[in-house]
Amino acid sequence: DTGVSQDPRHKITKRGQNVTFRCDPISEHNRLYWYRQTLGQGPEFLTYFQNEAQLEKSRLLSDRFSAERPKGSFSTLEIQRTEQGDSAMYLCASSLKVVGSSTGELFFGEGSRLTVL
Amino acid sequence: DAKTTQPPSMDCAEGRAANLPCNHSTISGNEYVYWYRQIHSQGPQYIIHGLKNNETNEMASLIITEDRKSSTLILPHATLRDTAVYYCIVPHSGGGADGLTFGKGTHLIIQP
Repeated sequence: DTGVSQDPRHKITKRGQNVTFRCDPISEHNRLYWYRQTLGQGPEFLTYFQNEAQLEKSRLLSDRFSAERPKGSFSTLEIQRTEQGDSAMYLCASSLKVVGSSTGELFFGEGSRLTVL
Repeated sequence: DAKTTQPPSMDCAEGRAANLPCNHSTISGNEYVYWYRQIHSQGPQYIIHGLKNNETNEMASLIITEDRKSSTLILPHATLRDTAVYYCIVPHSGGGADGLTFGKGTHLIIQP
């Protein structure tokens, strides 16, 4: 399967613990996005990378959140000192952005569901 | 992103065409219209996008009005597997994240 993969698919943690999610995008894609989705809502943009550079962060991304894409391939999203309000599905997407073209098609993974007790 | 307005839910009988409307009256001349859908417990899936002309692919057709202020996604022969939330999105062009801004979409329920 050459789609976007995310790990773990489910994570249950206690409040105050740190968690890390991993995303492996489609190999030739230069853009990688993180979204968060809570029940009954559409996905909310968190941040995105062009290759290894993090180009934009939403104000939803508090100081407890950090994302990296060290070699322009896989990415990690870490949440420190988790709170119950962090419970959500964390979605990763990748795309091939061609200069001068539209946003392009985003390919999403199945998501990582976080439950903070 | 240009604001879009969609009905919160729609029903359609299996085998019939499902027509999902979207208003995007503030769209700019070079902004595309994208449609994604999200089946329960899965990540969103790209369906189709267009600028001015109508578009068709193996999943759906996209009809954009001449003034570009609204569009309709058409699933020609809906099946039970088409039950999902459908999102109409107009990404902001000319800078910024180009990240798609999802609203609440339309929950399409295909009835057997």
